[in-house]
Amino acid sequence: EIVMTQSPATLSVSPGERVTLSCRASESVSSNLAWYQQKPGQAPRLLISGASTRATGVPARFSGSGSGTEFTLTISSLQSEDFAVYYCQQCNTWPPGSFGQGTRLESK
Amino acid sequence: EVQLVESGGGLVQPGGSLRLSCAASGFTFSSHAMHWVRQAPGKGLEYVSSISSNGNSAYYAKSVKGRFTISRDNSKNTLYLQLGSLTTEDMAVYYCARERLGYRLYFFDYWGQGTLVTVSS
Repeated sequence: EIVMTQSPATLSVSPGERVTLSCRASESVSSNLAWYQQKPGQAPRLLISGASTRATGVPARFSGSGSGTEFTLTISSLQSEDFAVYYCQQCNTWPPGSFGQGTRLESK
Repeated sequence: EVQLVESGGGLVQPGGSLRLSCAASGFTFSSHAMHWVRQAPGKGLEYVSSISSNGNSAYYAKSVKGRFTISRDNSKNTLYLQLGSLTTEDMAVYYCARERLGYRLYFFDYWGQGTLVTVSS
């Protein structure tokens, strides 16, 4: 089973800041990684697939990069609506289990 | 518009059973693999189970294998999850999710709003 590890668990940030979230896989998943955003009381929302492809309607300030075992989600200039929990998920094998434990963005 | 609407959650005693449903609309349900993901209160997302588009293949997380059964009725555009031998560890919001259609596109592009399962005596 592939284990996904996200860091940090919590990040205290201010609007306008550049934010970088990390996700590591216990073995290579090639570029088959997805990122999801979850706000309180809401279902998760797909942000990024294929490590770097933004989903429909996702603002350009969100970008993903990486391959193999190391991945990054970057928010170029944090907006107030971006405070949420972000999860990565390996999508290299079926079924695509293995979510990371999440990174929470909180207001500094 | 793609919609996934879960139902069937509620209060159940330890050791009890429950059947969750996920009604799909706005897309060709029979073409997509489907999944269940849960989230315990205040915790992260936990993968639960998957079923192929035709229902012939199913997969379970170790934590639920032997206790939960995933199924689907493509004629009714509905996904199911039968929960059994429930413990307090199973208490969570259960989400159904659609897998993107395409070769090796194993990610979830639409999610339902979830249904809450509470296990308590």
